[in-house]
Amino acid sequence: SQQGEEDPQALSIQEGENATMNCSYKTSINNLQWYRQNSGRGLVHLILIRSNEREKHSGRLRVTLDTSKKSSSLLITASRAADTASYFCATDEGNQGGKLIFGQGTELSVKP
Amino acid sequence: DGGITQSPKYLFRKEGQNVTLSCEQNLNHDAMYWYRQDPGQGLRLIYYSQIVNDFQKGDIAEGYSVSREKKESFPLTVTSAQKNPTAFYLCASSIVPGPSYEQYFGPGTRLTVT
Repeated sequence: SQQGEEDPQALSIQEGENATMNCSYKTSINNLQWYRQNSGRGLVHLILIRSNEREKHSGRLRVTLDTSKKSSSLLITASRAADTASYFCATDEGNQGGKLIFGQGTELSVKP
Repeated sequence: DGGITQSPKYLFRKEGQNVTLSCEQNLNHDAMYWYRQDPGQGLRLIYYSQIVNDFQKGDIAEGYSVSREKKESFPLTVTSAQKNPTAFYLCASSIVPGPSYEQYFGPGTRLTVT
């Protein structure tokens, strides 16, 4: 089953610019997580936002959640070449078992 | 160092052979997961285990088997019944079961079957 759908599929920007990635989902959720994956590596957890939260910050990351639109966005400010990676959202599909459902990801390329 | 280890990083097998991928964690986490990732795709859940000696099928369990005899180990066997086994396999763990908790991932094993 596919819950989160990221948009855009690929994004290319210059260093210093902001990068915004979006995630839409279908069912109600209790929380939504964002992960980062460098090429050929495992995923690294970035941030978790609960359904009763609207916005969360972590360093240069800002995540918003709009449950009425069933969507979330991840903003990376002042991007760096080292931010080049794929970014995935993952949702809990309303707490069905212990599963996280991952989207297909946004591939971000930050050019120096 | 605490974390999850997967071995080997690259694995090559002939069609028709079973192969076992290793996953070990020293985080003392209760829950462990196996995912499959195909090029340009997200992760799909194969199996997960909430506690020792217990595991459940994920979305694509056919052709795979697992065991959870020890808390720190969750090996995945890709059997000859799996029609398209070539993929990148990721193991993960979380402190307790449930999608409200951060998952910690291993570095992955890239399996190529010819």
